[in-house]
Amino acid sequence: SQTIHQWPATLVQPVGSPLSLECTVEGTSNPNLYWYRQAAGRGLQLLFYSVGIGQISSEVPQNLSASRPQDRQFILSSKKLLLSDSGFYLCAWRHGGTGGPGYGYTFGSGTRLTVV
Amino acid sequence: GENVEQHPSTLSVQEGDSAVIKCTYSDSASNYFPWYKQELGKRPQLIIDIRSNVGEKKDQRIAVTLNKTAKHFSLHITETQPEDSAVYFCAASREDTGRRALTFGSGTRLQVQP
Repeated sequence: SQTIHQWPATLVQPVGSPLSLECTVEGTSNPNLYWYRQAAGRGLQLLFYSVGIGQISSEVPQNLSASRPQDRQFILSSKKLLLSDSGFYLCAWRHGGTGGPGYGYTFGSGTRLTVV
Repeated sequence: GENVEQHPSTLSVQEGDSAVIKCTYSDSASNYFPWYKQELGKRPQLIIDIRSNVGEKKDQRIAVTLNKTAKHFSLHITETQPEDSAVYFCAASREDTGRRALTFGSGTRLQVQP
């Protein structure tokens, strides 16, 4: 079956510390993968997307970076966290053939990051 | 790029009433419009979606309508129940390009009063 895993679920990190969030997808190959961030009480902002291994597109300038070292693995990183990096980080993948059954985007369970 | 506006930001209805949430989008090439429900602290869950070749889609108490000319789409929930209380997000994307990423509205907090 096709599933998406994201971890950790919660994270409290001091300002200036590094960050690594991981997302993996099972049961599919060459998926489009996405990182979104949701500030408290706000909408979802697209940070990065990837259409394949090593292919990363950044949507907004920021303190974060993304990598896709394997087909079904997507990593969000930072060398030095800022207070403004706090938020709910969601990985997502696009599944199904365009216009076909089972098409859509599914989100991981999210990581709640608090930078202190 | 795409810009999605969503209204209202909050909506309170009595149990059994209907709720309508409206979104407009800016990119006329967008062709996929999903709606997500997000409960507190949880991930967004897809509740219904519509493609640009369809004007209306219904799934039990939930329906979505799309007006391509006006570039707006709406979520309709009938016979609301307390468990419908959540934040609802609309989104839009172009599914004919490599990017194929969802742009979200700002969300509507729906509260159903028992």
